[in-house]
Amino acid sequence: GDSVTQMEGPVTLSEEAFLTINCTYTATGYPSLFWYVQYPGEGLQLLLKATKADDKGSNKGFEATYRKETTSFHLEKGSVQVSDSAVYFCALTTTGNQFYFGTGTSLTVIP
Amino acid sequence: ETGVTQSPTHLIKTRGQQVTLRCSSQSGHNTVSWYQQALGQGPQFIFQYYREEENGRGNFPPRFSGLQFPNYSSELNVNALELDDSALYLCASSLGSGGPFDEQFFGPGTRLTVL
Repeated sequence: GDSVTQMEGPVTLSEEAFLTINCTYTATGYPSLFWYVQYPGEGLQLLLKATKADDKGSNKGFEATYRKETTSFHLEKGSVQVSDSAVYFCALTTTGNQFYFGTGTSLTVIP
Repeated sequence: ETGVTQSPTHLIKTRGQQVTLRCSSQSGHNTVSWYQQALGQGPQFIFQYYREEENGRGNFPPRFSGLQFPNYSSELNVNALELDDSALYLCASSLGSGGPFDEQFFGPGTRLTVL
């Protein structure tokens, strides 16, 4: 079945450090891929998405490229800020009416 | 524009009881999805409704049921509560028929504790 595996946390980085959160997927069809973010005390928000192979999603300095050959959708940011501290979820859907989420990666950025 | 709202915020029930959780979709959205998020886990898809019809269901038993109303608000009902049902229940709305390009907008969730 369809599933997403993302890197275990928690991750702690100093401000301005480079961030990578790994995400790999298994899908029976042609998935669309997403990164969601959950800030403390808030609901899930869509951070970025990619709907086909080699697409790059980007938002707020975050980027992720849909790699079909490695079935990956790693999240990256060149210079993290304290305000990026949150839990990040990788997700996929092949049908649009059923989404599969990873277990989440908690990021803490320290000044 | 009002976002997705859920009620109640917190709820405590005992094993065997029944519970109803409510969700108001973002204005204009005709699709709603429900998720269960256990502590430290990612959201697990329960089901989706599109224009009052169930449009997809995850691996949850029939005691999890739902409704979507003509105004596109929604309910999640859980019968015969079990301890493992303790979780954050999330509602997400989107515009369209639940296609893969539809962005889902999540509510803040209802925290259910089953004792």
